[in-house]
Amino acid sequence: AQSVAQPEDQVNVAEGNPLTVKCTYSVSGNPYLFWYVQYPNRGLQFLLKYITGDNLVKGSYGFEAEFNKSQTSFHLKKPSALVSDSALYFCAGHPSTGGFKTIFGAGTRLFVKA
Amino acid sequence: DTEVTQTPKHLVMGMTNKKSLKCEQHMGHRAMYWYKQKAKKPPELMFVYSYEKLSINESVPSRFSPECPNSSLLNLHLHALQPEDSALYLCASSPPVGRRGNEQFFGPGTRLTVL
Repeated sequence: AQSVAQPEDQVNVAEGNPLTVKCTYSVSGNPYLFWYVQYPNRGLQFLLKYITGDNLVKGSYGFEAEFNKSQTSFHLKKPSALVSDSALYFCAGHPSTGGFKTIFGAGTRLFVKA
Repeated sequence: DTEVTQTPKHLVMGMTNKKSLKCEQHMGHRAMYWYKQKAKKPPELMFVYSYEKLSINESVPSRFSPECPNSSLLNLHLHALQPEDSALYLCASSPPVGRRGNEQFFGPGTRLTVL
């Protein structure tokens, strides 16, 4: 079965420190991978995606993610966290073979302390 | 316009009521989605429309009835819901079918409470 795993329910980091939110995947073929962020009582917002090419992907609000095929990981990173980054983050995958169904991870709550 | 709009923002309904949720996008996207999301959980796919035709129904109970009147609009008709159907209902859209690997654009959601 295809899946996306986010091993941490919550990540705590101090403002100004680097942050990492982990994601591993088990998606067939060469998957398309995404990160979305959700603020309270809002819909999901797209942050970045990996389709092909450079393993380091840069996205919105200073976030980046590194695709590692050998470790089947797609961790989200930011060099310097802001309090306003506190939100729920979802990693998602989509098989390159097509179809409409996106596989979402369980989500990781990021808490940035001032 | 890069926005997906949803109305209403909040909806409270009794188990015998009939109501509808509405979603609209003007980005020319030809795939539209309904998701159900419980608190602090990932969104669960309910329905997908592609070019105004129902493409996926994830075994959703018949008390939820989707409709896609045109390429910009998506409705979700609700009838005889149960309290466990209370959730945030999200609409999303994505670019044409032939282009893979495209992110979805989500609306802000409708917070539904069933009494």
